[in-house]
Amino acid sequence: DQQVKQNSPSLSVQEGRISILNCDYTNSMFDYFLWYKKYPAEGPTFLISISSIKDKNEDGRFTVFLNKSAKHLSLHIVPSQPGDSAVYFCAASALGGSEKLVFGKGMKLTVNP
Amino acid sequence: NAGVMQNPRHLVRRRGQEARLRCSPMKGHSHVYWYRQLPEEGLKFMVYLQKENIIDESGMPKERFSAEFPKEGPSILRIQQVVRGDSAAYFCASSRLAGLQETQYFGPGTRLLVL
Repeated sequence: DQQVKQNSPSLSVQEGRISILNCDYTNSMFDYFLWYKKYPAEGPTFLISISSIKDKNEDGRFTVFLNKSAKHLSLHIVPSQPGDSAVYFCAASALGGSEKLVFGKGMKLTVNP
Repeated sequence: NAGVMQNPRHLVRRRGQEARLRCSPMKGHSHVYWYRQLPEEGLKFMVYLQKENIIDESGMPKERFSAEFPKEGPSILRIQQVVRGDSAAYFCASSRLAGLQETQYFGPGTRLLVL
């Protein structure tokens, strides 16, 4: 049972444009959401997070939006750069869930120069 | 300021052998998490440990897998009598404190190949 879903396996955008990565979840106990970026043969790198009491969090070129009623979050990257090309994972943790993270399957972003 | 260290980075074992994966958390971090990533999948939680204690092992297979985080030294994930299905990337993460909003920082992973 996939509790965190990233339904699009890949996305290709032009440099300078906006990248929008989507994530849906099913567990209403999830209270904290994170995005990680991963390059091949490396570990995931933390990008940005959002608590369920917020609907938006911004850090430089990265903004995460949370729609709790729809159980949906998205990561916006603007402007996109070729160095952003990587696999992006959405993750969530639940109150009482011992801090373990539940990950989506990931989405490969390619930013073309 | 060293990040999370994992070794070895690559490990090849034959079926039936033992695999030992090591993880040194970031300096000042006393919480360690192990995750496994199968090909084309996301990371799956295995176990959460603090020094000398297993806090949550709900993601660990019941047999052949064990983990420890001793008072001194790295955390160890041990897989006995490995099978081909154990082939995966194993990632360790650490955090400074417990808590929902404590960021987990990941190591580079150990890629285990079982022949």
